[in-house]
Amino acid sequence: AQSVTQLDSQVPVFEEAPVELRCNYSSSVSVYLFWYVQYPNQGLQLLLKYLSGSTLVKGINGFEAEFNKSQTSFHLRKPSVHISDTAEYFCAVSDPGAGGTSYGKLTFGQGTILTVHP
Amino acid sequence: GAVVSQHPSRVICKSGTSVKIECRSLDFQATTMFWYRQFPKQSLMLMATSNEGSKATYEQGVEKDKFLINHASLTLSTLTVTSAHPEDSSFYICSARRQDSNQPQHFGDGTRLSIL
Repeated sequence: AQSVTQLDSQVPVFEEAPVELRCNYSSSVSVYLFWYVQYPNQGLQLLLKYLSGSTLVKGINGFEAEFNKSQTSFHLRKPSVHISDTAEYFCAVSDPGAGGTSYGKLTFGQGTILTVHP
Repeated sequence: GAVVSQHPSRVICKSGTSVKIECRSLDFQATTMFWYRQFPKQSLMLMATSNEGSKATYEQGVEKDKFLINHASLTLSTLTVTSAHPEDSSFYICSARRQDSNQPQHFGDGTRLSIL
């Protein structure tokens, strides 16, 4: 079984400050990792994904994340945030080797609300 | 990019009504679609996996007779909440995935269901 823990439920920051949203996962197998963003009353938009290869992944809107296998972490970072980055962010994992009814299933973390203040 | 359309975006209805929510993949064929439920200030909980042409696979604790799922074509899956009650009020989100295993899921914009 897989699980995802987002260590901070809320992260307030000032505009143009750097931010890091933390995500740790637990899995007995190799995983695919994702970060999604959700704006109020909307679905989820993919920010970035790690499937294999380089551990530093760059996504949309200036976000990036680093996969650390030894620490089972996939923290999301942005060097300078904007007011428009205010949203809820979800880390998720899936098992690329799962078959049958588990194929492609995502397990989500609890979410981190990022609030950017002027 | 890939687009998933979910309709309606908001439903308000009386207790006992059945409500149908549609999820369409607009520019790709989705052999698999997923249905999630999200309570306020909580994460997404997978309800069921919908596979085109076969029965949906429900997660533990989800009543399959309550939440009917139909995936009759490669671009459309529907979720019907039967005889809805106030406790069924929630935000329902669908996602669709292309056939390739490493393709991420693309999400619809969700349906806010309010049962009075």
